[in-house]
Amino acid sequence: KAGVTQTPRYLIKTRGQQVTLSCSPISGHRSVSWYQQTPGQGLQFLFEYFSETQRNKGNFPGRFSGRQFSNSRSEMNVSTLELGDSALYLCASSFNGGNTEAFFGQGTRLTVV
Amino acid sequence: QQQVKQSPQSLIVQKGGISIINCAYENTAFDYFPWYQQFPGKGPALLIAIRPDVSEKKEGRFTISFNKSAKQFSLHIMDSQPGDSATYFCAASQGGSSNTGKLIFGQGTTLQVKP
Repeated sequence: KAGVTQTPRYLIKTRGQQVTLSCSPISGHRSVSWYQQTPGQGLQFLFEYFSETQRNKGNFPGRFSGRQFSNSRSEMNVSTLELGDSALYLCASSFNGGNTEAFFGQGTRLTVV
Repeated sequence: QQQVKQSPQSLIVQKGGISIINCAYENTAFDYFPWYQQFPGKGPALLIAIRPDVSEKKEGRFTISFNKSAKQFSLHIMDSQPGDSATYFCAASQGGSSNTGKLIFGQGTTLQVKP
């Protein structure tokens, strides 16, 4: 069974640009959650999608958004990038969200210069 | 109240020894407590998880001990090996539509197992 796939693995962007990251969950999983990981703040929850609907959202500004497609693949978008957005962005796949087993992808390392 | 506090921040253990990492929480509504292992350049990998209806769960060399009254849980790694050297995160979550898909993570413990 294939794991969670995130693309691209690495990105370098300039301040003010926008970026789109992609996540393909484990086959059969319908919930995708996104996290930001930084040395200072650790792992922080961004949002969760299930059946193309955002069901939960963390405390991040509106520049951070996401969506989910009918095949459960998800994208997150960050607009007007700031230096502080540099982080490892992780997505986690689970069967139905809730508080059940979640499996992470390898992440996308975003560097904003 | 949504925090999970993890200690120690770093840990050095000799090969064959026992590694112990502790976590504490305040929110009594938490009802799922997983542990993740992360190697540099990789995403966190689910190691083992427990729910509050049991006090201990063992999978191979990894054991979670759970103390509901103290609101604490810990990860024990028996017979620690150099390949266990990684960062370990505890986490917690609760049910309910407003909490779905959300894990609250501890700050992580960097474990080094010396040969």
